Amino acid sequence: AQKVTQAQTEISVVEKEDVTLDCVYETRDTTYYLFWYKQPPSGELVFLIRRNSFDEQNEISGRYSWNFQKSTSSFNFTITASQVVDSAVYFCALSEAVIQGAQKLVFGQGTRLTINP
Amino acid sequence: DTGVSQNPRHKITKRGQNVTFRCDPISEHNRLYWYRQTLGQGPEFLTYFQNEAQLEKSRLLSDRFSAERPKGSFSTLEIQRTEQGDSAMYLCASSSTNYGYTFGSGTRLTVV
Repeated sequence: AQKVTQAQTEISVVEKEDVTLDCVYETRDTTYYLFWYKQPPSGELVFLIRRNSFDEQNEISGRYSWNFQKSTSSFNFTITASQVVDSAVYFCALSEAVIQGAQKLVFGQGTRLTINP
Repeated sequence: DTGVSQNPRHKITKRGQNVTFRCDPISEHNRLYWYRQTLGQGPEFLTYFQNEAQLEKSRLLSDRFSAERPKGSFSTLEIQRTEQGDSAMYLCASSSTNYGYTFGSGTRLTVV
């Protein structure tokens, strides 16, 4: 069965520090997608990134970067020079194919990130 | 593109009452999903629609839960005879092809 593990329940850092959120997944599928979402206190899940299982290139978007390593089944997320506005719960998710090409997401338990001024 | 809209944002109900939530997806998205998120957990899949057809249901969706998507547009999720264990955030998402989901802001249900 699909499984996503985010071992870090809570992380607290001081503003401007770099922080890495870990994500480890389990799947028997050869084709899958990995996602990161941000959930601020308002509750909405904000899409950050989707990564195809065949694309192991790291990606950088501003202060955000993602490290996908298929050999260790990990998809870690790093925030550089963190800011107070980055405070949120972050979820890693793995897609699971369902009927007619749709996908349902299997989420980890989330990491609560607090950036202190 | 106005995003995925969910109503109401909050609902407080007494145990045993019925409640209904509504989700309006992004208009060009033919796929619609419902998830449930309890406190401190990640969202869990409940059910999926392609157009008006409900194609998959999770075992989490007991017979007190029913979802519809008439005409393949908006969707409703009804919970009958609510229990305290139903208290959660109910999230709706929509997508087209295989691109990443867009989630709504959710409906937070509190059963007292």
